[in-house]
Amino acid sequence: EVQLLESGGGLVQPGGSLRLSCAASGFTFSSYAMSWVRQAPGKGLEWVSGLSGSGGNTHYADSVKGRFTISRDNSKNTLFLQMNSLRAEDTAVYYCARSYYAIFGVPIPFDPWGQGTLVSVSS
Amino acid sequence: QSALTQPASVSGSPGQSITISCTGTSGDIGGYNYVSWYHQHPGKAPKLMIYDVSNRPSGVSNRFSGSKSGNTASLTISGLQAEDEADYYCSSYTSSSTPVVFGGGTKLTVL
Repeated sequence: EVQLLESGGGLVQPGGSLRLSCAASGFTFSSYAMSWVRQAPGKGLEWVSGLSGSGGNTHYADSVKGRFTISRDNSKNTLFLQMNSLRAEDTAVYYCARSYYAIFGVPIPFDPWGQGTLVSVSS
Repeated sequence: QSALTQPASVSGSPGQSITISCTGTSGDIGGYNYVSWYHQHPGKAPKLMIYDVSNRPSGVSNRFSGSKSGNTASLTISGLQAEDEADYYCSSYTSSSTPVVFGGGTKLTVL
């Protein structure tokens, strides 16, 4: 069974940093592009970032470009999201998701999703 | 404001069919066949229901179907069931600097 388990969320002050992890199991992790998608409380979905199976091709939403860094460790079947210079508007549940393929290097669609980890940015 | 436009809510009775629209531009829905649909029950993670406009992942009921015309994609659910009540989101690849966009979501109520 394919499983994705996020961790690393929590409360952080504005300007702070946080590193999210997504542990994958049940499939050949290095063969799949992966993504992070977030959902602010009571709001819709927002794509954050994605990367190729090798980790060499990365993409970011304009809203996080220059502040967030996506990476993966294929030897540990783990996806990461390093989040720096956090803002109140980054408060959200962050989901990791596997993709079927990549279009122009961008992973889509998203299936399955993890259960999410909550990031709260507040003083 | 979301890049893709969905109705805020739709409703239908058990057994009926409903359609949810998702309107974009020639830079996303109109230009590529990479539209996907997700449903999300309260407090749960989203689930993929349709990808590449009209393909169903393994295990998804054939009551769910997708289509596209011009800059608008549609999700149709036939034979509505109580368990279909959820939020539905469309998504598309886009040629913009943020390469993936979602719609604002549609709340489906089964009466």
